[in-house]
Amino acid sequence: DQQVKQNSPSLSVQEGRISILNCDYTNSMFDYFLWYKKYPAEGPTFLISISSIKDKNEDGRFTVFLNKSAKHLSLHIVPSQPGDSAVYFCAASAYNNNDMRFGAGTRLTVKP
Amino acid sequence: SQTIHQWPATLVQPVGSPLSLECTVEGTSNPNLYWYRQAAGRGLQLLFYSIGIDQISSEVPQNLSASRPQDRQFILSSKKLLLSDSGFYLCAWSVKRGRGKNIQYFGAGTRLSVL
Repeated sequence: DQQVKQNSPSLSVQEGRISILNCDYTNSMFDYFLWYKKYPAEGPTFLISISSIKDKNEDGRFTVFLNKSAKHLSLHIVPSQPGDSAVYFCAASAYNNNDMRFGAGTRLTVKP
Repeated sequence: SQTIHQWPATLVQPVGSPLSLECTVEGTSNPNLYWYRQAAGRGLQLLFYSIGIDQISSEVPQNLSASRPQDRQFILSSKKLLLSDSGFYLCAWSVKRGRGKNIQYFGAGTRLSVL
């Protein structure tokens, strides 16, 4: 079953505007959430994370928001830059598990 | 600092041939190790993970197997490749799960084409 879902396969935004990528999960045991960025033919690189005890984490242009009651998290990129164009994966893990579940990814295109 | 090496970067193999992909981690001990596959246009599918030497958990029944002969070495194998085994294979590592962070760090990946 797909415990982590990214329902938007692609997103296109103008340079300088905000990019909002969304992710939903079903497993209430998940307590740590991550966003990875992936360029073609490369491995994903860790971008930002958030623990379930928080509802917001900010790192420069990147902010992750967590809504536990809705089982929803989002990644905001402000301002968006052409170099942000990549596939973004949402991931989640549970305290008592060693593995991690990934969403299908959202391809972000930032147009100059 | 920790680094993860995965090779080869690209591999073209005929149907029915064997497969061996290797992954090694440096700069850490007793890591968790993972093999993922990304099929074309799809997300990351966890294939195997290992919490220690010779301790392998399989997520999906398939034509592949994994082994961990040494603490920081993880090998993905197949005796006979199928066309459906084509994809982008990724190795990853993480520290042992504890309260708080559980971040996986990925290798550069292997593009496998089975023809």
